Amino acid sequence: KNEVEQSPQNLTAQEGEFITINCSYSVGISALHWLQQHPGGGIVSLFMLSSGKKKHGRLIATINIQEKHSSLHITASHPRDSAVYICAVISSNTDKLIFGTGTRLQVFP
Amino acid sequence: KAGVTQTPRYLIKTRGQQVTLSCSPISGHRSVSWYQQTPGQGLQFLFEYFSETQRNKGNFPGRFSGRQFSNSRSEMNVSTLELGDSALYLCASSLVVTGTNEQFFGPGTRLTVL
Repeated sequence: KNEVEQSPQNLTAQEGEFITINCSYSVGISALHWLQQHPGGGIVSLFMLSSGKKKHGRLIATINIQEKHSSLHITASHPRDSAVYICAVISSNTDKLIFGTGTRLQVFP
Repeated sequence: KAGVTQTPRYLIKTRGQQVTLSCSPISGHRSVSWYQQTPGQGLQFLFEYFSETQRNKGNFPGRFSGRQFSNSRSEMNVSTLELGDSALYLCASSLVVTGTNEQFFGPGTRLTVL
């Protein structure tokens, strides 16, 4: 079993829909990252969380440390949001970044 | 401020050869981490360097090595290449050690081993 699990693996949405991507982890963490990867490979860091909730534009990330779960929400989705979204945690034991397998999102006009 | 740069962007090698990849971090960043991304294994941590010292290492064989220079630029080397080393190699920089600091990723080097 992977230490970081994401769901769903693939997601298709119509423009304007509300999107939720989930991340569950089984290790102790010092922080959790949400990353976005576009075709071609470039990765952009969206959020880094250790507690609570963060918002940036149409993106919202939440984390529940007790339940070892985080969600990434996209409001009013747009075709340019189409990308792979990756959850990654910093293990508090090893200080290494452990990645989830990613969620591929496609938003159609 | 310039972002993280990686050279070369694309590389084709044959089995048994060795390869050196380069990463220049954002100015002022002292930590550089390297990652391997393959379709089968996804993203995996290779190693992290901070102030010219390897601070952390992932579960990769000794054929994978790296170093960091006094200007924080980093190189990684893969010796005796295998077909399975074909991957996108990404580096990321942060101000200080990875921990709870935001990382900024480079565009990656796509290595193909024939």
